[in-house]
Amino acid sequence: GQNIDQPTEMTATEGAIVQINCTYQTSGFNGLFWYQQHAGEAPTFLSYNVLDGLEEKGRFSSFLSRSKGYSYLLLKELQMKDSASYLCAVPASGGSYIPTFGRGTSLIVHP
Amino acid sequence: DTGVSQNPRHKITKRGQNVTFRCDPISEHNRLYWYRQTLGQGPEFLTYFQNEAQLEKSRLLSDRFSAERPKGSFSTLEIQRTEQGDSAMYLCASSLTGGFEGQYFGPGTRLTVT
Repeated sequence: GQNIDQPTEMTATEGAIVQINCTYQTSGFNGLFWYQQHAGEAPTFLSYNVLDGLEEKGRFSSFLSRSKGYSYLLLKELQMKDSASYLCAVPASGGSYIPTFGRGTSLIVHP
Repeated sequence: DTGVSQNPRHKITKRGQNVTFRCDPISEHNRLYWYRQTLGQGPEFLTYFQNEAQLEKSRLLSDRFSAERPKGSFSTLEIQRTEQGDSAMYLCASSLTGGFEGQYFGPGTRLTVT
């Protein structure tokens, strides 16, 4: 089975940097996804990490450490529109890639 | 619009009634997933199709739930004899086989059972 843990809520100031952590336990590792979900909307894909290290994509970066079962999403130059829930997801092994999602971290960006 | 679409967007029904939701995936995607999401939780997997074959169903999917993807294109999710606990957002997503690029989600159908 798979187990994912991430903080429930975080707050940050516009223009700042925030790091959202995710720890996971899985029987067979097949990568890790991050999704963004605005209130009342569907999740949208942000990143996929399968190898250790940091992957940068504009203001958003995602880090993975397979040995520690740990990932983080780093958001730089925060904007008000970044207020959303950030979901960490781990796909199942065996070919189905069915993701198990964490509960999501609700990020509130204030002026 | 070439994204994933779902209909209806909202459905209010009385307990005991049957409801059916439709999902139209991105045309070239051969995988289609159904999820249920309640407030403050991440999406929970219900079932998925590769083309027209339903390959896996979650234990969450009781015998009141059934899903079809008859021609490997659109899919329907039916809930029979709805219960108040079925109230949730039902999300559909599609992807290419392998899914390394992630899944593309539709806007969801919000079901309220009164």
